[in-house]
Amino acid sequence: GQNIDQPTEMTATEGAIVQINCTYQTSGFNGLFWYQQHAGEAPTFLSYNVLDGLEEKGRFSSFLSRSKGYSYLLLKELQMKDSASYLCAVMDSNYQLIWGAGTKLIIKP
Amino acid sequence: GAVVSQHPSWVICKSGTSVKIECRSLDFQATTMFWYRQFPKQSLMLMATSNEGSKATYEQGVEKDKFLINHASLTLSTLTVTSAHPEDSSFYICSASGGETTEAFFGQGTRLTVV
Repeated sequence: GQNIDQPTEMTATEGAIVQINCTYQTSGFNGLFWYQQHAGEAPTFLSYNVLDGLEEKGRFSSFLSRSKGYSYLLLKELQMKDSASYLCAVMDSNYQLIWGAGTKLIIKP
Repeated sequence: GAVVSQHPSWVICKSGTSVKIECRSLDFQATTMFWYRQFPKQSLMLMATSNEGSKATYEQGVEKDKFLINHASLTLSTLTVTSAHPEDSSFYICSASGGETTEAFFGQGTRLTVV
């Protein structure tokens, strides 16, 4: 079967750095997405990785290792507004998105 | 990024009535649109995938006669929840992809409450 694993919940301090991991097993791979979702809102796109390596975009970076079926989202200089759920999703060989359950990130002052 | 507009943002309807949710891609041609639902504190669950001009492909367990999906043009897809029941109350989200990118852009979501 196909599955995406990521931690259910993480807590971090304002101004710190946090890394949210995602491991996946899917039938085929056409890219990995990270989305941010605030409560009651639709997800917003953060990053897309299809090749191995690190993609940096401001305070957010995303890393991919296809051989290990592993990705992480790195958030630097955390702000209170970063409190949200972070969803990892993999596009499989049929170009369908397989979603993880999301990681709820709690930022404390 | 591309813009996907979903309407309405929220709707309250009586049990037994039907509700239509629209999803529009404003600045690109969406060859594929996805409809999801999300229960509180749970992940997004794909309901169906629709390609412009053809019938939607429903995920296992999703009633196609209850959740009618129409994707008549490259910029508009609609989801109609027919004979709504309180258990259909949920957050419904559409996403659209097309053009030169495989990235999927999301609508704002529609919170449906059936009373």
